[in-house]
Amino acid sequence: EAQVTQNPRYLITVTGKKLTVTCSQNMNHEYMSWYRQDPGLGLRQIYYSMNVEVTDKGDVPEGYKVSRKEKRNFPLILESPSPNQTSLYFCASSSWESSYNEQFFGPGTRLTVL
Amino acid sequence: GQQLNQSPQSMFIQEGEDVSMNCTSSSIFNTWLWYKQEPGEGPVLLIALYKAGELTSNGRLTAQFGITRKDSFLNISASIPSDVGIYFCAGPKGGSEKLVFGKGTKLTVNP
Repeated sequence: EAQVTQNPRYLITVTGKKLTVTCSQNMNHEYMSWYRQDPGLGLRQIYYSMNVEVTDKGDVPEGYKVSRKEKRNFPLILESPSPNQTSLYFCASSSWESSYNEQFFGPGTRLTVL
Repeated sequence: GQQLNQSPQSMFIQEGEDVSMNCTSSSIFNTWLWYKQEPGEGPVLLIALYKAGELTSNGRLTAQFGITRKDSFLNISASIPSDVGIYFCAGPKGGSEKLVFGKGTKLTVNP
């Protein structure tokens, strides 16, 4: 089954404790992206990657890091989480065949930073 | 920057009614996308539009790419309870690979 998986689905942590949210897709998509979703603000892009070893900033990249060492994986790293990073996070992927527009989303990771 | 304005923000309708929502921008978009997000799930692509004036259907859903390229519309006919969710429009920002999303229209369907 074609899918985007994220782990963990729920995470409660404390300020300053480094964490990684993993994302994996099995569709051989070139493009992968991370979004955060906050009430009243909708979905905002954090980082995206056009292919292996190619990453670029989205609209809200501050406080986040990403890496793309393999085509299928695109982890999101919070080196020193802060309470304002409490949010619902989505990973997505798409193919060049749709000009990267038709994105498949993962189920989401709900992060709470205390 | 490019923003997408969706209206209405929320809708409360009775089962069987038709629904219309729209998305507008001050900038031109070359692609319009409509996604649906159900509670506890990630957004799912409903319809993609690539040509001005294009009208595309997916079951009871119909979306249109506005002639001005600055707007798009989504209609749902004969709504059912499983239509409940948040509907987002989206488009590539400035012709780039970045997607910008509207803030969504939350639909509630009363049986």
